[in-house]
Amino acid sequence: DQQVKQNSPSLSVQEGRISILNCDYTNSMFDYFLWYKKYPAEGPTFLISISSIKDKNEDGRFTVFLNKSAKHLSLHIVPSQPGDSAVYFCAASAVNTGNQFYFGTGTSLTVIP
Amino acid sequence: GAGVSQSPRYKVAKRGQDVALRCDPISGHVSLFWYQQALGQGPEFLTYFQNEAQLDKSGLPSDRFFAERPEGSVSTLKIQRTQQEDSAVYLCASIRARGTDTQYFGPGTRLTVL
Repeated sequence: DQQVKQNSPSLSVQEGRISILNCDYTNSMFDYFLWYKKYPAEGPTFLISISSIKDKNEDGRFTVFLNKSAKHLSLHIVPSQPGDSAVYFCAASAVNTGNQFYFGTGTSLTVIP
Repeated sequence: GAGVSQSPRYKVAKRGQDVALRCDPISGHVSLFWYQQALGQGPEFLTYFQNEAQLDKSGLPSDRFFAERPEGSVSTLKIQRTQQEDSAVYLCASIRARGTDTQYFGPGTRLTVL
């Protein structure tokens, strides 16, 4: 039972353009969402998070949007850089799941120079 | 240390062997998690410690899996009588304090069971 879904396994974007990575979830109790970036042979690295009381959070080139009614969040990277090429995971948790985080299956982003 | 470390980074085991995977969390971090990541999948929760107490082990796939954190810092995930389906990357993550804080991940241990 996949509670967090990333339906696009891969995405290619030209350098300088916008990258949009999408994530859907099924559990309406989720109230905290994160994006992680993962390079090969390394563990996931925290990128940006958003609480359910917000619908947008911005950090430099990275912006996360949350649409609670649609149970959808997205990560925007502008402008995309070759160093952004990695696998991106979204994750979600809820107060009533304790500290258990549920991860999507990841989207592999390739930024073409 | 500066980050979460895990050892060994790679482990090859023959089916039926026991393995022990170690995690050193960030110093002072209260909470520690273990995840299993199969090829092409996202990390899946195995178990969670707060200090030395194992508060949630609902994700452990069978009783062959055992985790401990006896002094509230280093943790060991032990898999007994390994099976081929145990082949995965095992990730450890730590959190500074309770609540939905950011998890810091280690590089993982890639376990291959032949």
